[in-house]
Amino acid sequence: DTAVSQTPKYLVTQMGNDKSIKCEQNLGHDTMYWYKQDSKKFLKIMFSYNNKELIINETVPNRFSPKSPDKAHLNLHINSLELGDSAVYFCASSQLQGSTEAFFGQGTRLTVV
Amino acid sequence: SQELEQSPQSLIVQEGKNLTINCTSSKTLYGLYWYKQKYGEGLIFLMMLQKGGEEKSHEKITAKLDEKKQQSSLHITASQPSHAGIYLCGAHRRDDKIIFGKGTRLHILP
Repeated sequence: DTAVSQTPKYLVTQMGNDKSIKCEQNLGHDTMYWYKQDSKKFLKIMFSYNNKELIINETVPNRFSPKSPDKAHLNLHINSLELGDSAVYFCASSQLQGSTEAFFGQGTRLTVV
Repeated sequence: SQELEQSPQSLIVQEGKNLTINCTSSKTLYGLYWYKQKYGEGLIFLMMLQKGGEEKSHEKITAKLDEKKQQSSLHITASQPSHAGIYLCGAHRRDDKIIFGKGTRLHILP
């Protein structure tokens, strides 16, 4: 059983397109996160949701919009993709915000051409 | 803003040797995690440390958090090729945000 699953695993798309990355966790966790890992392997938090409510919204372009239809899902929608958006995006979840370990998905490698 | 400094950035060791990776913060940490990432794969949770002076072990990997909760070390004993990858330390800040170090790239030579 996959605890945190992301789809797709790989995504290659052209500049200007709109794409979504889906994330689901079956751990019953309250908090979910999106991280971006750049080419230098540095992980940076983008968003955090707690019980479908946006908690953390770091400085990311408005083209990035998270959507949480329910506690188990946090999808990332990206409009007007740019070359600089190419990265690996990781979804994660934790039981209580800030108190326990976060479980990560496998990552989605996004390549914008 | 609080940041996590990892050292070294890159490490090459002979198989069978011991090694240590450090993670340092200028401020008190509220939960320190160690993750491992195999090249091209997702993150694997290794250990979480919360109390000052805490030490945990998993197989040949031991992690410690100092008494002041500002520094953690990850020690691998008798390294094996399977230990190769990128090791990331992460921590909760006071505002509950999770931050990460830049990672230590570990290579094991046969």
